[in-house]
Amino acid sequence: QLQLQESGPGLVKPSETLSLTCSVSSGSINITNFYWGWIRQPPGKGLEWIGSLYYGGNTFYNPSLKPRVTFSVDASKNQFSLKLTSVTAADTAVYYCARQRMAAMISTWGQGTPVTVSS
Amino acid sequence: AIQVTQSPSSLSASVGDRVTITCRASQGISSSVAWYRQKPGKVPELLIYDASALERGVPSRFSGSGSGTDFTLNISSLQPDDSATYYCQQFKTFPLTFGGGTKVEIK
Repeated sequence: QLQLQESGPGLVKPSETLSLTCSVSSGSINITNFYWGWIRQPPGKGLEWIGSLYYGGNTFYNPSLKPRVTFSVDASKNQFSLKLTSVTAADTAVYYCARQRMAAMISTWGQGTPVTVSS
Repeated sequence: AIQVTQSPSSLSASVGDRVTITCRASQGISSSVAWYRQKPGKVPELLIYDASALERGVPSRFSGSGSGTDFTLNISSLQPDDSATYYCQQFKTFPLTFGGGTKVEIK
């Protein structure tokens, strides 16, 4: 059964860069008809889509975050990553990596990793 | 971006009740809607996709309907395990957007 696991620092200082990696197991990241994505959820609030990527190179970002966010894929490690620059307290959230069917519905979620932005 | 509005924001119902949650899109999105359940402290899970298709392994008490701008999620007989927040999501176009959530409480 496909499993996703986020990793990265749980505490980031304001103005610095948040970097997270999602490791994919029991499945290949090089698979057609699936996209890989990031979603976040601020404490006590709803879900916000950050963006989606396809192993072949297509990448889509939330316009509200696009100037600050970058995705990358390391197929040799079966991993994909998120970088979010110039973070503020508003970026404090649980960050989920996920797999989407056809860039659409989110069929598999990671367990989520909490990230706090604070000095 | 397509805005997605859910209602109600919260509800309280008894075990065995029929529950309906609605989702309205700011423009027509055909059947490009998914529904998720997020139990307290847990990861969201996909319930319904393409507005009415039941995800594999999801109990049959869940059903979805609608097309265009108006969609509903129905729980035919509420169970204790359904105490959760429910989200709709449109995937007609990027950016993908979620509704604000409906918190379902068991009386």
